[in-house]
Amino acid sequence: DTGVSQNPRHKITKRGQNVTFRCDPISEHNRLYWYRQTLGQGPEFLTYFQNEAQLEKSRLLSDRFSAERPKGSFSTLEIQRTEQGDSAMYLCASSSTAGTVYHEQYFGPGTRLTVT
Amino acid sequence: SQQGEEDPQALSIQEGENATMNCSYKTSINNLQWYRQNSGRGLVHLILIRSNEREKHSGRLRVTLDTSKKSSSLLITASRAADTASYFCATTDSWGKLQFGAGTQVVVTP
Repeated sequence: DTGVSQNPRHKITKRGQNVTFRCDPISEHNRLYWYRQTLGQGPEFLTYFQNEAQLEKSRLLSDRFSAERPKGSFSTLEIQRTEQGDSAMYLCASSSTAGTVYHEQYFGPGTRLTVT
Repeated sequence: SQQGEEDPQALSIQEGENATMNCSYKTSINNLQWYRQNSGRGLVHLILIRSNEREKHSGRLRVTLDTSKKSSSLLITASRAADTASYFCATTDSWGKLQFGAGTQVVVTP
């Protein structure tokens, strides 16, 4: 399968614990995006990378959130000291800027986080 | 905050009927995209319309874009039960970042 993959698919954690999610983009894609989606809402942008550089972070991304994309390949999103309000679906998407300015993003299946 | 708003929030139709949903947005865009999301799953890209285009077709999908009114519409013709999903419009800025609306939940009954 050459699509975007995310692991784990589901994560249940207790408040105060740290969690880490992984995203593997489509291999030739240089851009990688993280979004968060709560029930009944559309996804909200969190951050994105071009290769290994993190170019923008949303104000939604508090200091408890950190994302990395070492070597411009897979990415991890870590949430420290989780709160119940962090419960959401975390979506990863990738795209390529090669040859076009029209960015079609391909989404992974998401990681559903439940904080109890 | 959401960039756009979809209208209606929910739509219930029978198989074979057409489904139309609208999207309004607030700021200038590079392009506008429509996505489908089946219950609890990831998003599937349906169609992209550039800011200098007014209409685009893909199979049973027809998208229009009116940049003067900052609005777009998605028409699904001859709907099927498999079209049951949430549909989101998303605008793209020059950096490729997507801003989604809250979505239209479509239910197609056999």
